Amino acid sequence: AQRVTQPEKLLSVFKGAPVELKCNYSYSGSPELFWYVQYSRQRLQLLLRHISRESIKGFTADLNKGETSFHLKKPFAQEEDSAMYYCALSWDNTDKLIFGTGTRLQVFP
Amino acid sequence: SAVISQKPSRDICQRGTSLTIQCQVDSQVTMMFWYRQQPGQSLTLIATANQGSEATYESGFVIDKFPISRPNLTFSTLTVSNMSPEDSSIYLCSGASGTRGFFGPGTRLTVL
Repeated sequence: AQRVTQPEKLLSVFKGAPVELKCNYSYSGSPELFWYVQYSRQRLQLLLRHISRESIKGFTADLNKGETSFHLKKPFAQEEDSAMYYCALSWDNTDKLIFGTGTRLQVFP
Repeated sequence: SAVISQKPSRDICQRGTSLTIQCQVDSQVTMMFWYRQQPGQSLTLIATANQGSEATYESGFVIDKFPISRPNLTFSTLTVSNMSPEDSSIYLCSGASGTRGFFGPGTRLTVL
């Protein structure tokens, strides 16, 4: 069965510090991995997906199939990055998503 | 990407009653899904809403408890039936069409 693990419930950093939100997954096939973000009082929105290999708002994430990880990174955190971040997995072109438990990122000034 | 609206945005209901949540997408989408987010927990997929046919439910969810309709490519409803306090959650509608997973604002349900 598919599973997504986000080991950190809360990550607190100061503005300008590097950020890494961890995500590990288990799936025997070839998954699609995503990061979703939910800012305060806003709806859940897609941040990035591994097949796009893009950088959004300074965030990047690389799929490491050997380590079954998809960690989200940003070299210099900003206060506006404070939000809830969810790692998610889709499989077999179903468009269905399995979510991790989420990590709350707090960026202090 | 498409925009999803949900009604109601929140409700407080008595146990034993039912609530129907509406999901409207501003453009046609291939897939529509319903998720639940229980307090302090992550999102869990309830079912895939299939246009013109019965929904496909995930393990642990059944049609009698969560009947779903999808009469066309832009609209779906989820009913939470015979509610109990354990059904208190945020219910989210999601759509996908070529691009991945955009979500509605959610319906916050409290069952007393």
